[in-house]
Amino acid sequence: DTAVSQTPKYLVTQMGNDKSIKCEQNLGHDTMYWYKQDSKKFLKIMFSYNNKELIINETVPNRFSPKSPDKAHLNLHINSLELGDSAVYFCASSQDFFDSPSNEKLFFGSGTQLSVL
Amino acid sequence: EDKVVQSPLSLVVHEGDTVTLNCSYEVTNFRSLLWYKQEKKAPTFLFMLTSSGIEKKSGRLSSILDKKELFSILNITATQTGDSAVYLCAVPETDSWGKLQFGAGTQVVVTP
Repeated sequence: DTAVSQTPKYLVTQMGNDKSIKCEQNLGHDTMYWYKQDSKKFLKIMFSYNNKELIINETVPNRFSPKSPDKAHLNLHINSLELGDSAVYFCASSQDFFDSPSNEKLFFGSGTQLSVL
Repeated sequence: EDKVVQSPLSLVVHEGDTVTLNCSYEVTNFRSLLWYKQEKKAPTFLFMLTSSGIEKKSGRLSSILDKKELFSILNITATQTGDSAVYLCAVPETDSWGKLQFGAGTQVVVTP
């Protein structure tokens, strides 16, 4: 009965490979996010989808491509992986897009630790 | 530019001690401030504060917001080893809905 689940938990791969991370939420939320946590522990937003529509697209290399097949799923595909992509990637969801304080509460998945060798 | 600064960056305490964590912020249009606890995995929600002076409590944890001085405090009393974690403070960014700006976090280690 995990609220926000993402797979895999760990991903070790070689430079240049393409990989995907999957995320699903069973909270009935309309909005989903991808956040990246680097080695300095800062959590930074990458993308946000609201009802399958891309809302936020931060300054992220276009090697990163999110895809939301439905509002309960948000996947992240990364092409041509580089050493600097090594980080923990968190999926999150909120009830709706931020138009009231109650929708600013994010629920996070347990993260995917990506190591690029 | 919006900014969230947490202090201290880390601290080590003994079980039973009280810890006070600080979060100062700069946002043009404040809406809320959130505290999360991160223990190796998912950040888990602790508190959301929107009004000054109203203390939020959950067991041994409490938090208060000062909108005039632009900071929040998270207190943990009678600490236990299970309180060891990184505590993150976040505020929604001014110019864009849907973005939380996080501080660097405070790593708390509680020793037996």
